[in-house]
Amino acid sequence: SQQGEEDPQALSIQEGENATMNCSYKTSINNLQWYRQNSGRGLVHLILIRSNEREKHSGRLRVTLDTSKKSSSLLITASRAADTASYFCATTGSARQLTFGSGTQLTVLP
Amino acid sequence: GAVVSQHPSRVICKSGTSVKIECRSLDFQATTMFWYRQFPKQSLMLMATSNEGSKATYEQGVEKDKFLINHASLTLSTLTVTSAHPEDSSFYICSAVDPGTSATDTQYFGPGTRLTVL
Repeated sequence: SQQGEEDPQALSIQEGENATMNCSYKTSINNLQWYRQNSGRGLVHLILIRSNEREKHSGRLRVTLDTSKKSSSLLITASRAADTASYFCATTGSARQLTFGSGTQLTVLP
Repeated sequence: GAVVSQHPSRVICKSGTSVKIECRSLDFQATTMFWYRQFPKQSLMLMATSNEGSKATYEQGVEKDKFLINHASLTLSTLTVTSAHPEDSSFYICSAVDPGTSATDTQYFGPGTRLTVL
């Protein structure tokens, strides 16, 4: 079953703008991960944030985690057309299985 | 990073036939692999956890007799869709955890297999 919802479901921005996606989850977590999926392809791991972390950066990516609200956000700064993809958050279960959010389809217009 | 491959990338079959999908970890040994299914414009749903040398663990609602999983070696897991029907048409993706890295919760995904059942 899906862990939670992501919003927005779809986001369209101009190149150079920032894109923010939000994810909510339902259960307690050890960590939360963000993945990217280009159309019809597999997933690429972007970043992992542990439950005792509040913010993490990786290049143009910034992830926040609020365990009290059971929510996370992914910020992509200075977006590029190549960032166009679907973005999923996922939480890790006890057997390392991933439970994915519903995803955000990001379109960056050149 | 670790690489996971899948074969075939795309398969079209007739209703009632069986289809085998392979998932390989190319540069690491994976004791555990995962199989996901993704319908168009939807998220990934875990189908089963494939454990090397033992039976797979299936998620609720996934028929183990229809989706046969074999994890016979540390680098290969196979998913066989038996007696496929049009409603089985989907994107099947496998993943694996590389136990040799410190980021042990990071999963590496294969490129996926697009199954179309006519």
